[in-house]
This record gives sequence, C-alpha cells and structure tokens, in this order.
Amino acid sequence: GAGVSQSPSNKVTEKGKDVELRCDPISGHTALYWYRQSLGQGLEFLIYFQGNSAPDKSGLPSDRFSAERTGGSVSTLTIQRTQQEDSAVYLCASSLMAGGSYEQYFGPGTRLTVT
Amino acid sequence: AQSVSQHNHHVILSEAASLELGCNYSYGGTVNLFWYVQYPGQHLQLLLKYFSGDPLVKGIKGFEAEFIKSKFSFNLRKPSVQWSDTAEYFCAVNAPGGGADGLTFGKGTHLIIQP
Repeated sequence: GAGVSQSPSNKVTEKGKDVELRCDPISGHTALYWYRQSLGQGLEFLIYFQGNSAPDKSGLPSDRFSAERTGGSVSTLTIQRTQQEDSAVYLCASSLMAGGSYEQYFGPGTRLTVT
Repeated sequence: AQSVSQHNHHVILSEAASLELGCNYSYGGTVNLFWYVQYPGQHLQLLLKYFSGDPLVKGIKGFEAEFIKSKFSFNLRKPSVQWSDTAEYFCAVNAPGGGADGLTFGKGTHLIIQP
C-alpha cells in the first residue's frame, strides 16, 4: 500500500516568507509526527498528533512554527517569516496509534532552503 | 527528558567484517528502543525495535541488537557486513506514556562499507 507522502519534495524560499509543508499519512494511521533533520542538530522531534489534536507543542522551535491536522488525515506544518536557520529536511511519520509502542513509518521529507 | 548518544559518527569497514555500533541512552524509566537506517536517497526505515522481553532482538537484513539495562545501552551488531549496508544508522528512544510520544534520536553513524 501507499506509504507516507510529503509535498513539496523541495522548497526554496526567501527569508521572511511563509511556507507550508504537507504530510499525507498512511491510511488508517491515527498518529502523525513531524521531525526536523539538520546538519547541526540531527533529527529533532517537533510535534505529534493523535487524531486531530496535538497534546504537546513544546517541541516546536519557535512561535513562528505551527501545525494542524484536519479530518484525522493530512497535516500541514507552517513556518512564518522563515529564517535561514529553518533550512533543514522536514520529515513526517505516521503510526497506527500513538503511545510509543507502534512503529513509526517515515515519509521522504521536504527539503527546505531559506535564502 | 531522554537523550541518546551514538559514539561513532563515521565508521569505515571492509566487506565481511563484523560491525558493532554503540548507542547509550539517558532515561531513568521504561523505554522503547529502536534502530533506524537511512540508505542513500531513501526514507528512514526501521531495522529493529525493543519493547520488552528477550533483550536480544533480531531485525531485518541480519542485524541484531542487545539491550543491556544496567549499561543503558542498545548496541547494533551484524556478524558480516555487505557493501549494501552503506547507510546512516540512527538509534532512537521513546518513553512509553512519557507524554510526547516522539522519538529522541542519536546524531547518527555514517557507515561506509568498502568492497
């Protein structure tokens, strides 16, 4: 079956612009996760959703970052007023349920470059 | 909060050599432990996982890992590596019921297998 898909695969934007990244999880997976992979910081967990709710937003790097999920499926990660330090690969993962004991399946990522 | 340390950032081996990649975590409670692999140009995929029970777990492609609770370690091993094992390897930890449910990753080990 289809895996986790993300769009766009690459995004180049100018500093100060807003960007929206999309994640389409595996059908039937109720939990969805966002991570960021960068050279300096490695893989960082940002936020997760169980259904449409995100119980803990403390992993988001700043208040310029927000995420939403509607209909229990597609999620968008929005970065406002992008900065050069936001350049990274943004990964999405989904699992059957949240709770730590379910395998997370990762998408191919969106490579964001802020110029 | 949990943390993960991978001791080797770059490892170069010849084909048929044995492999051991170190991983230590810092967390006082019950943890779930994972090894993920990222082949060049591909998604992150799960190699193996430990939740409970037998501390020696076997994964795909001949990999195995041993959970040693007293040492807070979860080292990855393979008796005889192949050129196709060239990839980035990530150790990760999750605390079930810890609230965030996201994975905490180590910085990764870049493994190069020379033919």
